[in-house]
Amino acid sequence: AQSVTQLGSHVSVSEGALVLLRCNYSSSVPPYLFWYVQYPNQGLQLLLKYTSAATLVKGINGFEAEFKKSETSFHLTKPSAHMSDAAEYFCAVSENSGAGSYQLTFGKGTKLSVIP
Amino acid sequence: GAGVSQSPRYKVAKRGQDVALRCDPISGHVSLFWYQQALGQGPEFLTYFQNEAQLDKSGLPSDRFFAERPEGSVSTLKIQRTQQEDSAVYLCASSPAGQANTGELFFGEGSRLTVL
Repeated sequence: AQSVTQLGSHVSVSEGALVLLRCNYSSSVPPYLFWYVQYPNQGLQLLLKYTSAATLVKGINGFEAEFKKSETSFHLTKPSAHMSDAAEYFCAVSENSGAGSYQLTFGKGTKLSVIP
Repeated sequence: GAGVSQSPRYKVAKRGQDVALRCDPISGHVSLFWYQQALGQGPEFLTYFQNEAQLDKSGLPSDRFFAERPEGSVSTLKIQRTQQEDSAVYLCASSPAGQANTGELFFGEGSRLTVL
């Protein structure tokens, strides 16, 4: 089974500073990788995805992530944090369950706080 | 509707009671998923429907959990004889045909179940 590890359950950055949220995965086959964001009292929303095309993926709200096969990583970055970025971020890998469905396996999440 | 709708948003049950959680997916979405998110954890897969067919129920934790989608639209997750460890947020997600295999899901806001 595939797995996802997110380093740091809570990350704090100052407004305008670089955001870096770490994600490592385990997979024996080329994976599909995702970042979802969950704002307070809202459902998870897709931020960006990697599906074996370009290794640098750009998402919404200025976020991007780079797939590095040699490091089995898919870290999420944003050059300049905004107060509205405060949310919980989940990294996920798509896995063929063999039963006709592709399950998402999520990491435990990283809560991002932005300090004014 | 415009998004995935779940009800009730909050449910408090006494241990041993049965509960039913409802999910209205985005109109026309073929694939429907249920996930369980315990406090401080990422969502974990429960079950998957393609139209009315339940193709994967490997994530259901016990035979007290039952899900159905009889007409290929609305889905209900039923938990019988609830126990304290069932306390979690139950997330429903849907996707159009063909996107389920890339993991791009549209999530509802979830139903928070608290078992006393």
